Amino acid sequence: DGGITQSPKYLFRKEGQNVTLSCEQNLNHDAMYWYRQDPGQGLRLIYYSQIVNDFQKGDIAEGYSVSREKKESFPLTVTSAQKNPTAFYLCASSKSTAGTSKMNTEAFFGQGTRLTVV
Amino acid sequence: DAKTTQPPSMDCAEGRAANLPCNHSTISGNEYVYWYRQIHSQGPQYIIHGLKNNETNEMASLIITEDRKSSTLILPHATLRDTAVYYCIVRGATGGGNKLTFGTGTQLKVEL
Repeated sequence: DGGITQSPKYLFRKEGQNVTLSCEQNLNHDAMYWYRQDPGQGLRLIYYSQIVNDFQKGDIAEGYSVSREKKESFPLTVTSAQKNPTAFYLCASSKSTAGTSKMNTEAFFGQGTRLTVV
Repeated sequence: DAKTTQPPSMDCAEGRAANLPCNHSTISGNEYVYWYRQIHSQGPQYIIHGLKNNETNEMASLIITEDRKSSTLILPHATLRDTAVYYCIVRGATGGGNKLTFGTGTQLKVEL
C-alpha cells in the first residue's frame, strides 16, 4: 500500500546523544516535511524539502539537521544542540504545489515518533 | 503563507452540524484554504481544500466567503469520532507554496 512511514514509534535516548528519525514515502511526492508537536500545542515546522538534494529551514530548525538524498527518504537528526528534544515528531509528504490549480496537493502524515530524552 | 485565526475550542452535540470558523484576512489571490484534523497522538488527516468556490466531499463542506477573508468547515452530522483538533491552513500554488505551516487549531469536542 502507498503511504508514509515513520520509525520507530517510540524512541528513548540519553541526553547529549544525537538521534536520527526515519521517514520514508512511496507516494512519489516531491515535497517532504518535519514537524514537532509539544503537549497541547500545534505543529511547528522544523525543515522541509521541495525536491531531492534541496531543503529549507522551517520555523524551529536550530538543533536539527536533515538530508534529502533520495526522493523517498527525509531523515531528521536531533542533535545534542537541541535544548528540549523530547517531543512528538511528525513527517509529511505532498505533491509539489507549483503550478497547481485544482489538483490534490494535500499532505499525508506519518503516525509520528515520540522521542524521549532522559 | 497567510496567517489564520481559529477559536481554541468548540463543543458540538452528536448528530448536529459542527461549524468551525477560520479567519484568514491576509490571504492572497493564489492561496488555497486547507483543512486538516488530528485525533489525539496521531498524524493529521486531510479533510478538504478550496480556492474561492464552496467545496463538498464525503467528510465535510467548506464555505469560503466572497472576499475570501474567512471560511467555515462544516461537519454535517458530527459523531463522537469527530472529536479532534481541526487546523485551517492557507497555502500558495507557487514554488514557495510548498511550505506548509500549521497554527494551533480548534479542539472540537463532540458530546452525547
